[in-house]
Amino acid sequence: GESVGLHLPTLSVQEGDNSIINCAYSNSASDYFIWYKQESGKGPQFIIDIRSNMDKRQGQRVTVLLNKTVKHLSLQIAATQPGDSAVYFCAGNLTGNQFYFGTGTSLTVIP
Amino acid sequence: KAGVTQTPRYLIKTRGQQVTLSCSPISGHRSVSWYQQTPGQGLQFLFEYFSETQRNKGNFPGRFSGRQFSNSRSEMNVSTLELGDSALYLCASSGSGTENTEAFFGQGTRLTVV
Repeated sequence: GESVGLHLPTLSVQEGDNSIINCAYSNSASDYFIWYKQESGKGPQFIIDIRSNMDKRQGQRVTVLLNKTVKHLSLQIAATQPGDSAVYFCAGNLTGNQFYFGTGTSLTVIP
Repeated sequence: KAGVTQTPRYLIKTRGQQVTLSCSPISGHRSVSWYQQTPGQGLQFLFEYFSETQRNKGNFPGRFSGRQFSNSRSEMNVSTLELGDSALYLCASSGSGTENTEAFFGQGTRLTVV
């Protein structure tokens, strides 16, 4: 089946540092990707998306980079805060609004 | 604008029973997708409904079914429950039918099968 793998299952960063979470995808036909944040006991929360006609997209404190050549995307969080502690998922599209998800990276921010 | 609403939040069922979960999408959204989330398998796609029609289906047995109503609200049903069906069931709502757009999730229904 399709997969979106993550390079590291856990990541710990100091408060104020930048975080980088990586993701590799397998389906070359995927042309739309979303990063989600999931806190304990809650559903995934949309962070930022990117389409395949872009290499980079910026939001508030977050940046997503897409490298279609190696089928890799990353999420950068600037000035990481304790409230950023959560599990982060990348998702790639298939047909319709069907997405396949990675297993997630657990980000812990150390005060 | 209200977000995606899933009910109930928690359910405990016995093996062999059936269960129905409900999802109300964001107003104006016509696409509703369902996912199963477990610690071991992560988020797995169940099916997607758009304008009352199942548009996509994941690799789950026929015990898992769903439907969508004319107001875009959706239900999913699991029959003959097994212990392995214990999971967080998430519903995602999307607006457009022709191009992928943001999919917003509800809080999920935590199903425990005993």
